[in-house]
Amino acid sequence: QKEVEQNSGPLSVPEGAIASLNCTYSDRGSQSFFWYRQYSGKSPELIMSIYSNGDKEDGRFTAQLNKASQYVSLLIRDSQPSDSATYLCAVGPPSGGSYIPTFGRGTSLIVHP
Amino acid sequence: DVKVTQSSRYLVKRTGEKVFLECVQDMDHENMFWYRQDPGLGLRLIYFSYDVKMKEKGDIPEGYSVSREKKERFSLILESASTNQTSMYLCASSSSGRKNSPLHFGNGTRLTVT
Repeated sequence: QKEVEQNSGPLSVPEGAIASLNCTYSDRGSQSFFWYRQYSGKSPELIMSIYSNGDKEDGRFTAQLNKASQYVSLLIRDSQPSDSATYLCAVGPPSGGSYIPTFGRGTSLIVHP
Repeated sequence: DVKVTQSSRYLVKRTGEKVFLECVQDMDHENMFWYRQDPGLGLRLIYFSYDVKMKEKGDIPEGYSVSREKKERFSLILESASTNQTSMYLCASSSSGRKNSPLHFGNGTRLTVT
């Protein structure tokens, strides 16, 4: 059974701080990792993809991947109240597997002014 | 940009009705998915299709069926709606050209069964 674990939160940070969201996964063969942002009542929106060990930066967002530790994280710098949402971690299948990713249940982030 | 369009944003149906949820994508994606999302339970896969007329059951297929007659369209059918099918339904698509392609979601359909 493939598992993706996230702390449900809520994670509360002050405006301007760095928010750190974490995700662990069980399938060591996984090769692709995604972060989605979901506002309340809306659908998930892809914000980051990462495939190789290390960091990937896109604006205020940085995704970090450590395959040896089976760990992927999302850092949000200079957090804004508009970043308040649920963040879903998704892990793609290993080579030869089906096309179905495994989603975590999400971490709720609250950025307070 | 990928566009995944779900036919209805909100839907209210009565118990026992047959309900059709439609989803269309414009990126020629091979893979299409139907999920439901409930508070505290996360995304749960109902059905997956990897090609026209091809489908696989997901984690919770009971009470649902699907149809994929054309590549761009994937329909979810509730044969006889029940109150426990009240939920947010999300359609998604992805390319199988690259195994690592992310899913792109539609705006969702919030279904209420009374």
